Amino acid sequence: DAGITQSPRHKVTETGTPVTLRCHQTENHRYMYWYRQDPGHGLRLIHYSYGVKDTDKGEVSDGYSVSRSKTEDFLLTLESATSSQTSVYFCAISREGTRNTEAFFGQGTRLTVV
Amino acid sequence: QKEVEQDPGPLSVPEGAIVSLNCTYSNSAFQYFMWYRQYSRKGPELLMYTYSSGNKEDGRFTAQVDKSSKYISLFIRDSQPSDSATYLCAMIYGDMRFGAGTRLTVKP
Repeated sequence: DAGITQSPRHKVTETGTPVTLRCHQTENHRYMYWYRQDPGHGLRLIHYSYGVKDTDKGEVSDGYSVSRSKTEDFLLTLESATSSQTSVYFCAISREGTRNTEAFFGQGTRLTVV
Repeated sequence: QKEVEQDPGPLSVPEGAIVSLNCTYSNSAFQYFMWYRQYSRKGPELLMYTYSSGNKEDGRFTAQVDKSSKYISLFIRDSQPSDSATYLCAMIYGDMRFGAGTRLTVKP
């Protein structure tokens, strides 16, 4: 699993509540990513980080925020969860940007918003 | 139109068959092409990685890229039940863009 731990692995939450997902890596890789995976859409990038406190938006960033206060941790927050955010969320890391090297993925967090 | 198109299947083949998985793309700027394998309830793992047009072989797997046709393929020879998974194509120009994934089942 390339030294990536996602927590929680499963979560059910109610509409309108805040939710934070955590990604922890032991590889000391500079780049970290949050993707969501939905049937028919594959993996879509939500946000990514290229260093401590350096983050940027991805393809589907609306309704999500991220923070990275330490190299090893990358947090994804849903400020007010909606049913459309029910998905499987994957964290990924790469040594450089994805431009040159492959990304390694965590096991995923299955989030259900009811 | 999606930037990366991939037939979601499902695809079911008998053990030992040759499997062909394909993706087409619309952005000619894509430079790096990858295939990921994803087992049920697991994260994707990199299977093949290539930069240029042509073929790249790794054991039973062959990745093929045709930039002129904007078409990539993954061939699996002598398929095994352990190859049953979802296969995602991915390509990079700046961000990594994924296909929707093809679910493959290899029956004993």
